[in-house]
Amino acid sequence: DAKTTQPPSMDCAEGRAANLPCNHSTISGNEYVYWYRQIHSQGPQYIIHGLKNNETNEMASLIITEDRKSSTLILPHATLRDTAVYYCIVRVAGSGGYQKVTFGTGTKLQVIP
Amino acid sequence: DGGITQSPKYLFRKEGQNVTLSCEQNLNHDAMYWYRQDPGQGLRLIYYSQIVNDFQKGDIAEGYSVSREKKESFPLTVTSAQKNPTAFYLCASSISGDGNYGYTFGSGTRLTVV
Repeated sequence: DAKTTQPPSMDCAEGRAANLPCNHSTISGNEYVYWYRQIHSQGPQYIIHGLKNNETNEMASLIITEDRKSSTLILPHATLRDTAVYYCIVRVAGSGGYQKVTFGTGTKLQVIP
Repeated sequence: DGGITQSPKYLFRKEGQNVTLSCEQNLNHDAMYWYRQDPGQGLRLIYYSQIVNDFQKGDIAEGYSVSREKKESFPLTVTSAQKNPTAFYLCASSISGDGNYGYTFGSGTRLTVV
């Protein structure tokens, strides 16, 4: 699995869009990009995932560059409850086989009132 | 509702004792995983299992043991050989193989050695 690189921390004003970058320059063609977030002392929560097209759901949008070497998670209107650590991981697609995934240290997003 | 249940939420262990952390899922997921998280750190993989009666070591398996006798259950035993067991332990599951499905995590067990 490809490694990912994320900034260790970011601040965002409440009500503004939070844009969290992730670099995955060695991503393979069959690897998906996943985003999770972890609120203090809880298990990580799935946010969104994508292969090469931009994706949007009720929580966030995921923008993947055309070369797929980086992506951005967008929280359109950040609230205080979005304060958390955000993890970007890549995961192999396909049938069969275990997919060993490493969660790095992620980006600690602090939403400021 | 389907999900993963970890118990207990908090666990205290005396030095030299073995303790077992429970992880049960009713999602019919094939694969299950155990991660360890230390303060301010990411998640490190301890053990994983793709199917019943099969499991593999992750990056930090020393001092830990697991079993997978049932699809729904993947208990983790922290043995006395684990020199620094105080940490937050997370269990996760996924459908094996298909990248369209991510991980579902439990709420974690915080283990403290006293």
